[in-house]
Formats: sequence, C-alpha cells, structure tokens
Amino acid sequence: AQSVTQLDSQVPVFEEAPVELRCNYSSSVSVYLFWYVQYPNQGLQLLLKYLSGSTLVKGINGFEAEFNKSQTSFHLRKPSVHISDTAEYFCAVTPLGGANNLFFGTGTRLTVIP
Amino acid sequence: EAGVTQSPTHLIKTRGQQATLRCSPISGHTSVYWYQQALGLGLQFLLWYDEGEERNRGNFPPRFSGRQFPNYSSELNVNALELEDSALYLCASSQQGQVRETQYFGPGTRLLVL
Repeated sequence: AQSVTQLDSQVPVFEEAPVELRCNYSSSVSVYLFWYVQYPNQGLQLLLKYLSGSTLVKGINGFEAEFNKSQTSFHLRKPSVHISDTAEYFCAVTPLGGANNLFFGTGTRLTVIP
Repeated sequence: EAGVTQSPTHLIKTRGQQATLRCSPISGHTSVYWYQQALGLGLQFLLWYDEGEERNRGNFPPRFSGRQFPNYSSELNVNALELEDSALYLCASSQQGQVRETQYFGPGTRLLVL
C-alpha cells in the first residue's frame, strides 16, 4: 500500500522569500512522484514529476523538487515566491507497474504575504 | 486545445437521491479517472476507465459507479446520496492509461447533499 504525508497543512511566506513544501511517502514498491497545484476554484495542474534519472526535477513556474530515496522524500522548493504562487499544493505517488491511480497527500496551503 | 471539461459545475441534491456527473477528456485521451476531494479527507481515487472498461476502483461503496462512452467521455453516478458524499469531484484524463503519463484534471463538480 502507498501513503503520502505532507506534514505542513499551511505555510505562510513573505513575497520573494524561499519556500520548501515537504512530502514524505511510504511504499513497498518503487513509485513515480508528482507535485500538483490547485488554484482557487480550479482543478489540479501538474507542476513536475519524477519518473527516473536525475533526482533533481525542475518544473513550471520556477519550482523544483528533489527525490531522496533513502529518506523517501520529495520536497518541493522555490527560491523566490510570488503572490501568484498562493495556492494548494499536493504531492502524489503512483506505484511502478501498479494500477494507474494517484495517491495524494492531504495538501499544503501556501500563502504568500505581500 | 480544450482541456478536460466537467458538468455541471455545481449540483445540489438531497439525501437518498441520485447524482450524475459528466466528464469530457482531452481530445485523443482514452483514459478517464475520477477522484473525490472531500473536506478533511483530501483527494481520493474513485474510478479509472480506459477504452470503455473499468480498470480499477478505489475504496468506495458500490453505489459509486460510472461508465465510459465510445467517445471516451465518462459519467459518474452516485446512488442513494449521503451527506458525506458532499465533495468536489474531479475528473482527469491521460493519453493511454500508462502509469508514467501525466493526468490532466478538469475544474471539478461541486456536489452538495442536503
């Protein structure tokens, strides 16, 4: 079975400051990892994904994430946030070779303060 | 290119009634997924359809059902509605239903059960 933990339900950060949103997962098999963003009253949009290869993954809007297999983590980072980054962020996994559904964390609400 | 569309945007029902939610995938996508985003429970996988067949379902009772039509659009039916079915229902599509593929999400249908 797979599970995803996003330890921080809310993260306030000042504009132009760096931010890290934490994601840890548990799985008995290898997984693919994803970060999605949900803006108010909208569906989810893919930020980035890790399938294989380099453990540092760059995504849209200046976000990046690093896969750490030993710590089973996939933390999302941005060096300088903008007001427009205010949204809910979801980490998700899907097992390699498994059924094709995503297991999501409970989300982290990022609020960028002017 | 049009994204995933869902209708209606909002739906209000009373306990015991039936709800029907609709989803049109991105053109060329054959896989459709349904997720429930309930308050306090996060995003949970409901159903996966590919090429007209149900491929996988999450841990939901049988009163949650659906189908996929020859044009790959999909319906989610929820029978005997309960108060706790109130949630945002998100539909996603992917090209071929392979695990590596990105799932593209629609804006959702917000179901309120009174």
